[in-house]
Amino acid sequence: GNSVTQMEGPVTLSEEAFLTINCTYTATGYPSLFWYVQYPGEGLQLLLKATKADDKGSNKGFEATYRKETTSFHLEKGSVQVSDSAVYFCALSETGNQFYFGTGTSLTVIP
Amino acid sequence: NAGVMQNPRHLVRRRGQEARLRCSPMKGHSHVYWYRQLPEEGLKFMVYLQKENIIDESGMPKERFSAEFPKEGPSILRIQQVVRGDSAAYFCASSPPSVQGRQFFGPGTRLTVL
Repeated sequence: GNSVTQMEGPVTLSEEAFLTINCTYTATGYPSLFWYVQYPGEGLQLLLKATKADDKGSNKGFEATYRKETTSFHLEKGSVQVSDSAVYFCALSETGNQFYFGTGTSLTVIP
Repeated sequence: NAGVMQNPRHLVRRRGQEARLRCSPMKGHSHVYWYRQLPEEGLKFMVYLQKENIIDESGMPKERFSAEFPKEGPSILRIQQVVRGDSAAYFCASSPPSVQGRQFFGPGTRLTVL
């Protein structure tokens, strides 16, 4: 079946530190992979996505590369800001209708 | 263009009562999805609906839970005879018919069962 495993949090970093949040997946077919972000009190927002192997999704300084050989889609950012504090969810979808989410990783960036 | 709206944002019910959660999709979106997030867990798919049709309900518990998306009005997730284990955050998402793989999420309804 389909599932997503992501790094447990919470993660606390100082401003301008490098961020990595690990995500690995299991899928029966060829899914698209996503990172969603949830700010306090808000719904999930799409951060970036990749639809096939070796694709790199990027947005707002965040990047993730679809690695089929390691079944991974790790999220990275070179220099985090306080405003990046949020919960990050890795997800996959094969059909575009049903999504499978990880448990979420809470990130706090301190000045 | 308003985003996906859910209400209420917080709902408290006693065991045995009914909970009704509402979701108004974004304008022009005819697909609605419901997810449940239990404490310390990720979002779990529950049901996918189009106007007046349930397309996929493979994630819905077999009893007490039902969902609808009428021709007019919001989508409703209904939980009958709630139990403490139903306490969770329930998220709704919507998407336009022509763009698969892109879901826009509402802020969620946090249900607490006393």
